[in-house]
Amino acid sequence: DAKTTQPPSMDCAEGRAANLPCNHSTISGNEYVYWYRQIHSQGPQYIIHGLKNNETNEMASLIITEDRKSSTLILPHATLRDTAVYYCIVRVGNNNDMRFGAGTRLTVKP
Amino acid sequence: GAVVSQHPSRVICKSGTSVKIECRSLDFQATTMFWYRQFPKKSLMLMATSNEGSKATYEQGVEKDKFLINHASLTLSTLTVTSAHPEDSSFYICSAEGLAGHHTDTQYFGPGTRLTVL
Repeated sequence: DAKTTQPPSMDCAEGRAANLPCNHSTISGNEYVYWYRQIHSQGPQYIIHGLKNNETNEMASLIITEDRKSSTLILPHATLRDTAVYYCIVRVGNNNDMRFGAGTRLTVKP
Repeated sequence: GAVVSQHPSRVICKSGTSVKIECRSLDFQATTMFWYRQFPKKSLMLMATSNEGSKATYEQGVEKDKFLINHASLTLSTLTVTSAHPEDSSFYICSAEGLAGHHTDTQYFGPGTRLTVL
């Protein structure tokens, strides 16, 4: 079973920031938080991951609360091409499996 | 970035035939590869984990004799659906995780293979 909880759907206006929340209240100290997204009929695309500190890359920012029980993925300027299902996953270290939950279906509207 | 390919991208076959799907890591060596299955409007379900040169580890409920996995090299894993039936129709996705460098802590996914069994 997935160890994360995400809202089933969200809308965002084009050009605005999209903030996608994820709860992982049972996360262990050695588990990382990963975010992927899946556009219809394609394989999931890696976005970002982190352990304790906030992370930023060219795609997004990841904000992890101090107690690590929740996190937020931020797409700073959403475009129509960001419409996808976003998955938040926790897992231990390298080469371990990932368990996907239902994710959040983000719809970016013009 | 790391690139993972799958072949074929889609396949249609008759019931009772076997279908082989290839998963390749194109620009990195993959210690571990994973196979997932996804039904329409559902999330990905892990089927099995394979490490190069060893037997795959299957998830509970996945028949290892029906879904044969071979991970013969650090860049290639294959999934063979044996004696396919219509209920095996699904979207099959592989992922790979690297041996060294910055690919070690991230799974990269292939584009998926859509299997339709008539």
